[in-house]
Amino acid sequence: NAGVTQTPKFQVLKTGQSMTLQCAQDMNHNSMYWYRQDPGMGLRLIYYSASEGTTDKGEVPNGYNVSRLNKREFSLRLESAAPSQTSVYFCASTDNKYEQYFGPGTRLTVT
Amino acid sequence: GDSVTQMEGPVTLSEEAFLTINCTYTATGYPSLFWYVQYPGEGLQLLLKATKADDKGSNKGFEATYRKETTSFHLEKGSVQVSDSAVYFCALSASGGSYIPTFGRGTSLIVHP
Repeated sequence: NAGVTQTPKFQVLKTGQSMTLQCAQDMNHNSMYWYRQDPGMGLRLIYYSASEGTTDKGEVPNGYNVSRLNKREFSLRLESAAPSQTSVYFCASTDNKYEQYFGPGTRLTVT
Repeated sequence: GDSVTQMEGPVTLSEEAFLTINCTYTATGYPSLFWYVQYPGEGLQLLLKATKADDKGSNKGFEATYRKETTSFHLEKGSVQVSDSAVYFCALSASGGSYIPTFGRGTSLIVHP
C-alpha cells in the first residue's frame, strides 16, 4: 500500500496563478482532510470530506476550493494564489474518525 | 469545543537524557488520544495511541498514559537519541457528531550528541 500520496511535492506560483493539489489514498478510507502548516501555527484544517460526495469547511477555507472526486481522491484548488498561501499543505485520511494517515506534503511558495 | 495544549518548545536535550512533553486536553466526548511525530521534511506519522482512560500507549521507547482525572497525555522517553529530533503533536480523535480531530501546536525536540 502506498498510503496517502500527494502531488506535486514542490511548487512555485506567481500571485494570481491557479493550481490544484492532488491527494489520493489506497486504504479505502471514508474521510479525507486538507491542512496547512505554517511556522508557529501548528496544523490548520482547510476543508474536509467526511465521506464520498460531501465536503465541509474547516478553520481556514478562504481562497480554497475542494473536490472529492471519488472515494480515493480529494483535490485542493487555489483559484488565485496569494503570498499568504505560501505554506506546506498536507492531505490526510481516516476510516472511523480514529487515527489519521498523512501524506508527505506539498511545499508551495507564492511570489 | 475540544482543545489540546502542549508545552511550547523547542525542548533541547543531550543524548540519553529523560524526555517529558506535557499535553493536556479538554473534550466533550470520549476521544482517543494520540501522539504524532513529524521528522524534518516529512508528513506526520502516528507514534502511539490510547483509546480509553488508564490505557498506556507505547512505541520506540516512548510512552504516554491516558489520564482522565488530570485530562493529560504526557509523552515520555527514558533515554533520547539524536534521531528522536523532530516535532511532536498531541491530538484527540474526532468524537460525537464531529469529523474534525484536534491537534496541539506541536513541540520541537532537539537532541544534541
